[in-house]
Amino acid sequence: SYVLTQPPSVSVAPGQTATITCGGDNIGRKTVHWYQHKAGQAPVLVVYDDKARPSGIPERFSGSNFGNTATLTINRVEAGDEAGYFCQVWDPPLFGGGTELTVL
Amino acid sequence: EVQLVESGGGLVQRGGSLRLSCAASGFSVSSSYMSWVRQAPGKGLDWVSLIYSGGGTYYADSVKGRFTTSRDNLNNMVFLQMNSLRAEDTAVYYCARAELEYIDSWGQGTLVTVSS
Repeated sequence: SYVLTQPPSVSVAPGQTATITCGGDNIGRKTVHWYQHKAGQAPVLVVYDDKARPSGIPERFSGSNFGNTATLTINRVEAGDEAGYFCQVWDPPLFGGGTELTVL
Repeated sequence: EVQLVESGGGLVQRGGSLRLSCAASGFSVSSSYMSWVRQAPGKGLDWVSLIYSGGGTYYADSVKGRFTTSRDNLNNMVFLQMNSLRAEDTAVYYCARAELEYIDSWGQGTLVTVSS
C-alpha cells in the first residue's frame, strides 16, 4: 500500500523559513494537499492541489511537488504557525504521519 | 456557512459498539464526499471512511468489516456505526466534507474512548 513519509518534527526560529517534506513513491504524479492542525482545534487546509492556497491563508504558505517529494514551505515563520502539519493524497485517501513544527 | 457537528462519542468497553452522528448545514451531504477522520492520542490523522456522493464507500483496512458509514439525505446527516471496538480505536473522530480530493470543512470532533 502507498505510504507518505514526513519528518516527525521541524524547528525554526521566528522570521526564518520552515520546510516540511512529504515523501512517497512518485508522489509527483499525485496531487498533494496540506493541513495545519493545532491541539484542540479542527484541522485547517493550508495548501491544496500541490500549490494552491485557500482564501484566508497567508501567502507565506506555499507548496511544491516533484519526483518523490512534496514540500510545504512557510516563509517568515510566526509563533502562531506552531502546529502539526499533515500531507494528504487521494485514491485511496491517505495522510502522512504528520510533522510537528516548533517555533523556537 | 458550512457547519458540521458531531455527536455520539463516549466511553465504551472493548468489543462494544457506538454510533457517531454528524449534522451538516450549509450544504447537502448527498452531493458531497463525506468522511470520518480520526486522531488517536499522540498520533497523526487517520482517514477512517468515506461515502461518495453516488453512495459508494471506502474504509481504511484497520476498520473494514467493523465500521459502516451511511447518510440520511432527508435530515442532512452522516453516521459512523462502529462495532467490535478495540483499544486502538480510541481517538477523536472528526466528520469532514471532502471537496474533490481534499477536505475543506471539518467538525470539532467527538472523543471515543474504548476501555480494555
